[in-house]
Amino acid sequence: DTEVTQTPKHLVMGMTNKKSLKCEQHMGHRAMYWYKQKAKKPPELMFVYSYEKLSINESVPSRFSPECPNSSLLNLHLHALQPEDSALYLCASSQDSGGYNEQFFGPGTRLTVL
Amino acid sequence: AQRVTQPEKLLSVFKGAPVELKCNYSYSGSPELFWYVQYSRQRLQLLLRHISRESIKGFTADLNKGETSFHLKKPFAQEEDSAMYYCALRGAGNQFYFGTGTSLTVIP
Repeated sequence: DTEVTQTPKHLVMGMTNKKSLKCEQHMGHRAMYWYKQKAKKPPELMFVYSYEKLSINESVPSRFSPECPNSSLLNLHLHALQPEDSALYLCASSQDSGGYNEQFFGPGTRLTVL
Repeated sequence: AQRVTQPEKLLSVFKGAPVELKCNYSYSGSPELFWYVQYSRQRLQLLLRHISRESIKGFTADLNKGETSFHLKKPFAQEEDSAMYYCALRGAGNQFYFGTGTSLTVIP
Protein backbone atom coordinates (compact mmCIF):
# COMPACT_ATOMS: atom_id res chain seq x y z
CA ASP A 1 0.00 0.00 0.00
CA THR A 2 1.67 3.20 -1.16
CA GLU A 3 -1.04 5.68 -0.30
CA VAL A 4 -1.87 8.06 2.44
CA THR A 5 -5.58 8.00 3.20
CA GLN A 6 -7.60 10.68 4.94
CA THR A 7 -11.10 10.70 6.35
CA PRO A 8 -13.49 12.33 6.05
CA LYS A 9 -13.21 13.86 2.58
CA HIS A 10 -15.46 16.76 3.55
CA LEU A 11 -16.43 18.13 6.93
CA VAL A 12 -18.78 20.93 7.88
CA MET A 13 -18.79 22.00 11.50
CA GLY A 14 -20.05 24.77 13.68
CA MET A 15 -17.83 26.87 15.88
CA THR A 16 -18.85 24.98 19.00
CA ASN A 17 -18.39 21.49 17.60
CA LYS A 18 -15.64 19.00 18.32
CA LYS A 19 -14.50 16.85 15.42
CA SER A 20 -11.44 14.86 14.37
CA LEU A 21 -9.59 14.35 11.11
CA LYS A 22 -7.89 11.03 10.52
CA CYS A 23 -4.87 10.06 8.46
CA GLU A 24 -3.41 6.62 7.84
CA GLN A 25 -0.40 5.20 6.02
CA HIS A 26 1.01 1.68 5.82
CA MET A 27 4.30 2.43 4.12
CA GLY A 28 6.33 2.13 7.30
CA HIS A 29 6.99 5.85 7.32
CA ARG A 30 8.04 7.28 10.67
CA ALA A 31 7.42 10.97 9.97
CA MET A 32 3.91 12.31 9.56
CA TYR A 33 2.70 15.84 8.92
CA TRP A 34 -0.36 18.05 9.02
CA TYR A 35 -0.63 20.93 6.58
CA LYS A 36 -3.29 23.56 6.02
CA GLN A 37 -3.88 24.71 2.45
CA LYS A 38 -6.04 27.64 1.44
CA ALA A 39 -7.25 27.95 -2.16
CA LYS A 40 -4.48 28.78 -4.64
CA LYS A 41 -1.89 28.86 -1.83
CA PRO A 42 0.93 26.49 -0.90
CA PRO A 43 0.57 24.05 1.97
CA GLU A 44 1.40 25.59 5.34
CA LEU A 45 3.05 23.25 7.78
CA MET A 46 1.18 22.83 11.08
CA PHE A 47 2.72 19.84 12.86
CA VAL A 48 5.41 17.21 12.34
CA TYR A 49 5.52 13.90 14.17
CA SER A 50 8.73 11.92 14.10
CA TYR A 51 8.67 8.41 15.55
CA GLU A 52 5.28 9.19 17.07
CA LYS A 53 6.60 12.20 18.95
CA LEU A 54 5.62 15.75 18.16
CA SER A 55 8.77 17.35 16.81
CA ILE A 56 7.46 20.53 15.23
CA ASN A 57 4.50 22.74 16.10
CA GLU A 58 4.42 25.79 13.88
CA SER A 59 2.72 28.03 16.46
CA VAL A 60 -0.66 26.53 15.70
CA PRO A 61 -3.58 27.70 17.90
CA SER A 62 -4.59 25.28 20.61
CA ARG A 63 -7.98 24.72 19.02
CA PHE A 64 -6.03 22.30 16.79
CA SER A 65 -4.72 19.32 18.72
CA PRO A 66 -2.69 16.61 16.97
CA GLU A 67 -2.35 13.05 18.12
CA CYS A 68 -0.26 10.14 16.86
CA PRO A 69 -1.63 6.96 18.44
CA ASN A 70 0.77 4.70 16.55
CA SER A 71 3.20 4.77 13.65
CA SER A 72 0.45 4.39 11.04
CA LEU A 73 -2.14 6.84 12.33
CA LEU A 74 -2.31 10.57 12.75
CA ASN A 75 -5.29 12.49 14.07
CA LEU A 76 -6.11 16.16 14.22
CA HIS A 77 -8.67 17.07 16.86
CA LEU A 78 -10.65 20.22 16.23
CA HIS A 79 -12.50 22.28 18.81
CA ALA A 80 -13.99 25.76 18.80
CA LEU A 81 -12.76 26.55 15.32
CA GLN A 82 -13.26 29.86 13.56
CA PRO A 83 -14.60 30.42 10.04
CA GLU A 84 -11.10 31.44 8.91
CA ASP A 85 -9.97 27.89 9.72
CA SER A 86 -11.93 26.68 6.70
CA ALA A 87 -9.37 25.11 4.36
CA LEU A 88 -8.07 21.86 2.90
CA TYR A 89 -6.18 19.93 5.56
CA LEU A 90 -3.49 17.71 4.16
CA CYS A 91 -1.71 14.83 5.80
CA ALA A 92 1.64 13.60 4.53
CA SER A 93 4.20 11.03 5.49
CA SER A 94 7.86 10.34 4.77
CA GLN A 95 10.55 7.96 5.85
CA ASP A 96 12.34 9.48 8.79
CA SER A 97 15.85 8.49 8.00
CA GLY A 98 18.74 10.21 6.34
CA GLY A 99 18.73 10.89 2.66
CA TYR A 100 16.22 12.15 0.20
CA ASN A 101 12.85 11.29 1.65
CA GLU A 102 9.98 12.64 -0.35
CA GLN A 103 6.64 13.33 1.22
CA PHE A 104 3.59 11.36 0.19
CA PHE A 105 0.39 13.39 0.48
CA GLY A 106 -3.13 12.34 1.19
CA PRO A 107 -6.07 13.75 -0.77
CA GLY A 108 -7.00 16.07 2.05
CA THR A 109 -10.08 16.85 4.12
CA ARG A 110 -11.99 19.91 3.01
CA LEU A 111 -13.15 21.62 6.17
CA THR A 112 -15.84 24.28 6.32
CA VAL A 113 -16.46 26.07 9.61
CA LEU A 114 -19.80 27.84 9.83
CA ALA B 1 16.59 31.40 7.20
CA GLN B 2 15.16 28.84 4.85
CA ARG B 3 13.11 30.20 2.02
CA VAL B 4 11.83 29.05 -1.36
CA THR B 5 10.85 31.63 -3.94
CA GLN B 6 8.83 31.05 -7.08
CA PRO B 7 8.64 34.42 -8.77
CA GLU B 8 5.91 33.56 -11.28
CA LYS B 9 2.44 33.06 -9.89
CA LEU B 10 0.98 32.36 -13.34
CA LEU B 11 2.65 31.10 -16.50
CA SER B 12 1.05 30.44 -19.87
CA VAL B 13 2.78 28.79 -22.80
CA PHE B 14 1.59 27.35 -26.10
CA LYS B 15 1.57 23.62 -26.66
CA GLY B 16 4.90 22.51 -28.04
CA ALA B 17 6.77 25.52 -26.68
CA PRO B 18 9.54 25.21 -24.09
CA VAL B 19 8.62 25.93 -20.50
CA GLU B 20 10.71 26.94 -17.51
CA LEU B 21 9.36 27.36 -13.99
CA LYS B 22 11.72 29.24 -11.75
CA CYS B 23 12.67 28.36 -8.21
CA ASN B 24 15.25 30.02 -6.01
CA TYR B 25 16.10 28.99 -2.50
CA SER B 26 17.86 30.21 0.59
CA TYR B 27 19.37 27.61 2.88
CA SER B 28 22.52 27.53 4.95
CA GLY B 29 23.25 23.83 4.59
CA SER B 30 23.30 21.41 1.68
CA PRO B 31 19.81 21.67 0.18
CA GLU B 32 17.46 18.84 -0.60
CA LEU B 33 15.12 20.11 -3.28
CA PHE B 34 11.96 18.78 -4.82
CA TRP B 35 9.33 19.74 -7.34
CA TYR B 36 5.74 18.80 -6.49
CA VAL B 37 2.78 19.01 -8.87
CA GLN B 38 -0.91 19.32 -8.15
CA TYR B 39 -3.22 18.56 -11.07
CA SER B 40 -6.80 19.74 -10.91
CA ARG B 41 -8.75 17.77 -8.27
CA GLN B 42 -5.79 15.50 -7.55
CA ARG B 43 -3.49 15.20 -4.58
CA LEU B 44 -0.12 16.85 -4.36
CA GLN B 45 2.50 14.48 -5.75
CA LEU B 46 6.22 14.40 -6.21
CA LEU B 47 7.45 15.24 -9.70
CA LEU B 48 11.22 15.42 -9.27
CA ARG B 49 13.92 15.44 -6.64
CA HIS B 50 17.31 16.85 -7.42
CA ILE B 51 19.37 13.95 -6.13
CA SER B 52 18.00 11.51 -8.68
CA ARG B 53 18.72 13.70 -11.70
CA GLU B 54 15.92 11.97 -13.54
CA SER B 55 13.48 13.13 -16.18
CA ILE B 56 9.83 12.63 -15.31
CA LYS B 57 7.12 13.35 -17.90
CA GLY B 58 9.79 15.14 -19.90
CA PHE B 59 10.62 17.53 -17.05
CA THR B 60 14.12 18.04 -15.71
CA ALA B 61 15.51 20.26 -12.99
CA ASP B 62 19.12 21.08 -12.26
CA LEU B 63 20.43 22.35 -8.98
CA ASN B 64 22.65 25.38 -9.43
CA LYS B 65 24.28 26.05 -6.09
CA GLY B 66 26.04 29.15 -7.36
CA GLU B 67 22.75 30.78 -8.31
CA THR B 68 20.80 28.95 -5.57
CA SER B 69 18.28 27.88 -8.15
CA PHE B 70 16.38 24.73 -9.04
CA HIS B 71 14.43 25.64 -12.16
CA LEU B 72 12.05 23.14 -13.75
CA LYS B 73 12.25 22.76 -17.52
CA LYS B 74 10.52 20.95 -20.31
CA PRO B 75 11.43 21.38 -23.99
CA PHE B 76 7.93 20.84 -25.40
CA ALA B 77 4.92 21.60 -23.21
CA GLN B 78 1.81 19.43 -23.43
CA GLU B 79 -1.76 20.32 -22.49
CA GLU B 80 -1.71 17.72 -19.70
CA ASP B 81 1.12 19.66 -18.05
CA SER B 82 -1.34 22.34 -16.97
CA ALA B 83 -1.23 22.23 -13.18
CA MET B 84 0.08 23.97 -10.08
CA TYR B 85 3.78 23.40 -9.48
CA TYR B 86 5.48 23.83 -6.12
CA CYS B 87 9.18 23.90 -5.44
CA ALA B 88 10.05 22.56 -1.99
CA LEU B 89 13.11 22.40 0.21
CA ARG B 90 13.63 19.89 2.98
CA GLY B 91 15.24 21.39 6.03
CA ALA B 92 16.32 20.07 9.38
CA GLY B 93 13.86 18.04 11.41
CA ASN B 94 11.89 16.93 8.38
CA GLN B 95 10.51 20.38 7.76
CA PHE B 96 9.49 20.99 4.18
CA TYR B 97 9.34 24.56 2.93
CA PHE B 98 7.12 25.15 -0.07
CA GLY B 99 7.30 28.00 -2.51
CA THR B 100 4.15 29.93 -3.32
CA GLY B 101 3.57 27.88 -6.45
CA THR B 102 3.31 28.56 -10.16
CA SER B 103 0.11 27.84 -12.01
CA LEU B 104 1.03 26.61 -15.48
CA THR B 105 -1.46 26.76 -18.32
CA VAL B 106 -0.59 25.17 -21.64
CA ILE B 107 -2.62 26.70 -24.43
CA PRO B 108 -3.66 24.30 -27.20
